Amino acid sequence: GQQVMQIPQYQHVQEGEDFTTYCNSSTTLSNIQWYKQRPGGHPVFLIQLVKSGEVKKQKRLTFQFGEAKKNSSLHITATQTTDVGTYFCAGWVGTSYGKLTFGQGTILTVHP
Amino acid sequence: NAGVTQTPKFRVLKTGQSMTLLCAQDMNHEYMYWYRQDPGMGLRLIHYSVGEGTTAKGEVPDGYNVSRLKKQNFLLGLESAAPSQTSVYFCASRRGANSPLHFGNGTRLTVT
Repeated sequence: GQQVMQIPQYQHVQEGEDFTTYCNSSTTLSNIQWYKQRPGGHPVFLIQLVKSGEVKKQKRLTFQFGEAKKNSSLHITATQTTDVGTYFCAGWVGTSYGKLTFGQGTILTVHP
Repeated sequence: NAGVTQTPKFRVLKTGQSMTLLCAQDMNHEYMYWYRQDPGMGLRLIHYSVGEGTTAKGEVPDGYNVSRLKKQNFLLGLESAAPSQTSVYFCASRRGANSPLHFGNGTRLTVT
C-alpha cells in the first residue's frame, strides 16, 4: 500500500537556525499537503503542492515538490520559538480516491 | 460557524466497554475522516467517508466501526474497547478530494 515516510522524526535547533523536514512516498503522489500541529493542538493546513517541481513560499517557509512527485520538503529559514510544533506531510495516490495518508511527522523544538 | 466539533473531549473506558465518538461539521463538506494519533506514529487513518451513506476502511480499521447517516455527522464506534485503543482521536473534513483538511480539537481516550 501507499507509504509516506517523513524524516527526521525529531529536530532540535537554536533560535535563528534553519530547519528542513523531508517527505518521501513509495508511489507517485497526485498532490501533497503540509500541516502544522502546535503542542496540545490539532493539525492545521499550511499549503498544498500539485505540480511537478513546484516551489511555494510563505514568509520564512519554503515548500518544494519533487520532479517525480514522490518527495517533498519544508524548509524554515531563521527559526523562531513560534515555529515549535509537529510538521506533517500528507498525500494520496490517484487510485485511492479520497484517502489521505500522513507521514509520521517531524517534531521541531526551538531553543531560545 | 463552528467548523468541526468532536464530542466528548476526554473519556476513560474499561476494557470491553463500548462507546461512540461523534464528529459534526457545519461546512457542508463531502469528505470526512477519523484518524488516531499515537507518539511516534503520526496520524493513522481509521475510516473515512466520501459522502453521505458511504464509508471505507483506512490503514487501521480493526476494532472500529463508523457510520455516516447524515452528511454533517461521522460517528466512530468502539464495540469492545482494548488498551491498544488508548489514543488521541481526530476527526477531519474537507470539501473535495483536493481540498485542505479541517480538523476537530480531538478526543483523548484512555482504556484501562
